[in-house]
Amino acid sequence: NAGVTQTPKFQVLKTGQSMTLQCAQDMNHEYMSWYRQDPGMGLRLIHYSVGAGITDQGEVPNGYNVSRSTTEDFPLRLLSAAPSQTSVYFCASSPLAGVYNEQFFGPGTRLTVL
Amino acid sequence: DAKTTQPNSMESNEEEPVHLPCNHSTISGTDYIHWYRQLPSQGPEYVIHGLTSNVNNRMASLAIAEDRKSSTLILHRATLRDAAVYYCIPNSDSNYQLIWGAGTKLIIKP
Repeated sequence: NAGVTQTPKFQVLKTGQSMTLQCAQDMNHEYMSWYRQDPGMGLRLIHYSVGAGITDQGEVPNGYNVSRSTTEDFPLRLLSAAPSQTSVYFCASSPLAGVYNEQFFGPGTRLTVL
Repeated sequence: DAKTTQPNSMESNEEEPVHLPCNHSTISGTDYIHWYRQLPSQGPEYVIHGLTSNVNNRMASLAIAEDRKSSTLILHRATLRDAAVYYCIPNSDSNYQLIWGAGTKLIIKP
């Protein structure tokens, strides 16, 4: 299994540009989420999904859109990039069934908005 | 959500045990205590979790105070590969929305 994969690894955008960060998992996990991590801080939840066709907002959703058309993929769209969105973005997945299910994280996408 | 207090950083010598403390005095009765760690330039990875009794796995041990207001992650024999930021996260077992603090940066000296 590849686990959770994210592309691209690095991205530089200009203010106002849009782009999509890709996240895919091959573990058939129902739960997927997107976090952002600013320097020296913990992760903050942007959006999450408990299954295909179901998404919901996390702690910091403004400026981001998500969709979940398949179990495997959970792309994050930046509608109009702003310098405040410069951060490292992590995608995570977890199975929903079971007593406790650890979250598996991807390697991250480092985004810089100029 | 329960608030946590962790030291900003700790240092330890290689091949010695490490005890990473976490205070979570406002934890609810149904919250588990989760620990994740984040190695440099990587995504976080699960370490261990527990509810009331002490827990062991291949990576670490988790000692939970009787009143559940604090816990300690124990690395029995630290290696250089254990240098990371360690996060303590109290959370309901059915709530997937983890709330992350700043964690403890563990520095391992050779």
